[in-house]
Amino acid sequence: GAGVSQSPSNKVTEKGKDVELRCDPISGHTALYWYRQSLGQGLEFLIYFQGNSAPDKSGLPSDRFSAERTGGSVSTLTIQRTQQEDSAVYLCASSSPDGRYGYTFGSGTRLTVV
Amino acid sequence: AQSVAQPEDQVNVAEGNPLTVKCTYSVSGNPYLFWYVQYPNRGLQFLLKYITGDNLVKGSYGFEAEFNKSQTSFHLKKPSALVSDSALYFCAVSAPSGGSYRPTFGRGTSLIVHP
Repeated sequence: GAGVSQSPSNKVTEKGKDVELRCDPISGHTALYWYRQSLGQGLEFLIYFQGNSAPDKSGLPSDRFSAERTGGSVSTLTIQRTQQEDSAVYLCASSSPDGRYGYTFGSGTRLTVV
Repeated sequence: AQSVAQPEDQVNVAEGNPLTVKCTYSVSGNPYLFWYVQYPNRGLQFLLKYITGDNLVKGSYGFEAEFNKSQTSFHLKKPSALVSDSALYFCAVSAPSGGSYRPTFGRGTSLIVHP
C-alpha cells in the first residue's frame, strides 16, 4: 500500500480483556517495528521484525505482550489481560532492510483501558 | 548499545528567529541519523536523514541538520521559525549491530514558536 495502515485507530477495552492491534506495512518493506508512546512521552521500543530472522522482542514489557508477523507482511500485536498502565498510543513503522530511506510510521492505535 | 540524547524537553523561539533542536548520539560504527516531527494526534513524519556524504543535510519544510562526527551530534536547525513549526521533534539513530538496524529514538523535544 501507499502507507503504513494501523487498525483500529481507537480501542477502548475493559481491564482484563485481551486486545489485538493490527499493522499493515508498506509493500516490500522487510523490516517492521512496534513502539509505544504514552501521553506526551517519547517512543518506547517493543518489538522488531526483520525478514525471516527471529524477531527482537527485547522491548516487550511483560509476557502479556506478544506479536507475530504472518507471511512477512501484516503484523498483529496482542496484549493479554490488559491493565490500565497499558493505555497508550501504539505505533507501527516499516522500512527497507537497513532503514537507509527512513522509517514510515502509521497513524497509531490509541488504546484506553478502563 | 546505541543511544540518543535530546537534552531539552522544550525549546521556545519567536517567529522569524532561527531555531536549533539539539541531538547527540552514541553508536558503534557509522550511524544513520534521522529527524522526525509529530504534530498533535498524528503519527511521526520524516523530516531528514544523514546516511553518508555531505555533513549538512536539507529536508522538508526548510529544516536542515549538520552531522558532526567529532561531537557525535546531529542538531536540527531552521533559519526562520514559523508558528506552524510548533510540534514534537524526535531524533533517531541506527547502526549495524549484529545485523540489526533497529532505530533508537530520543525522548523528543517540544518546539514552541511564539507569534
